[in-house]
Amino acid sequence: GENVEQHPSTLSVQEGDSAVIKCTYSDSASNYFPWYKQELGKRPQLIIDIRSNVGEKKDQRIAVTLNKTAKHFSLHITETQPEDSAVYFCAASHRSNDYKLSFGAGTTVTVRA
Amino acid sequence: NAGVTQTPKFQVLKTGQSMTLQCAQDMNHNSMYWYRQDPGMGLRLIYYSASEGTTDKGEVPNGYNVSRLNKREFSLRLESAAPSQTSVYFCASSTPARYGYTFGSGTRLTVV
Repeated sequence: GENVEQHPSTLSVQEGDSAVIKCTYSDSASNYFPWYKQELGKRPQLIIDIRSNVGEKKDQRIAVTLNKTAKHFSLHITETQPEDSAVYFCAASHRSNDYKLSFGAGTTVTVRA
Repeated sequence: NAGVTQTPKFQVLKTGQSMTLQCAQDMNHNSMYWYRQDPGMGLRLIYYSASEGTTDKGEVPNGYNVSRLNKREFSLRLESAAPSQTSVYFCASSTPARYGYTFGSGTRLTVV
């Protein structure tokens, strides 16, 4: 099955700086890559996603890039704010496995004021 | 429009006890999922149901059973709880067209 690896496991940034989280996946058939944000004690919530026919997608301060050849994708958060502090999960899925999401282990992001 | 509703939110069980976690969605989604979340291990799939009437094992199905009661409801049963099943359990639903999941608020289960 699909194996998603996520790095780093923890990330501390100064408010206003950028944060980058990287994920790799193993199954070349994967074609859907969402990112979830989970605040302490809350449910994961979808913040951005990208499909394999697109190399980059941006939504205000967050962006995701995808390199299908290398089988990796990344989340970029610019101008970080204290409310960006959370655990972020990447995931991958494809049609032939019923779109089941395989998740990375998560990155705990702390934004220092 | 409540989205995905899970009950209970918290539960403490003794080893060997049984219980059922309930999940219901009102978004007319075809697919439903049960995940467990443990520190440092992300979200691992226990069971899923691609459509009403079908269920399949995920990555960590041992010790669990599921029932897709109808299109709205997907329950997870622990027949004989073990301390290794202490975790936070999330139910989720999706449609293929949407791809992304909508998660319930989670059930924090402790087995002593």
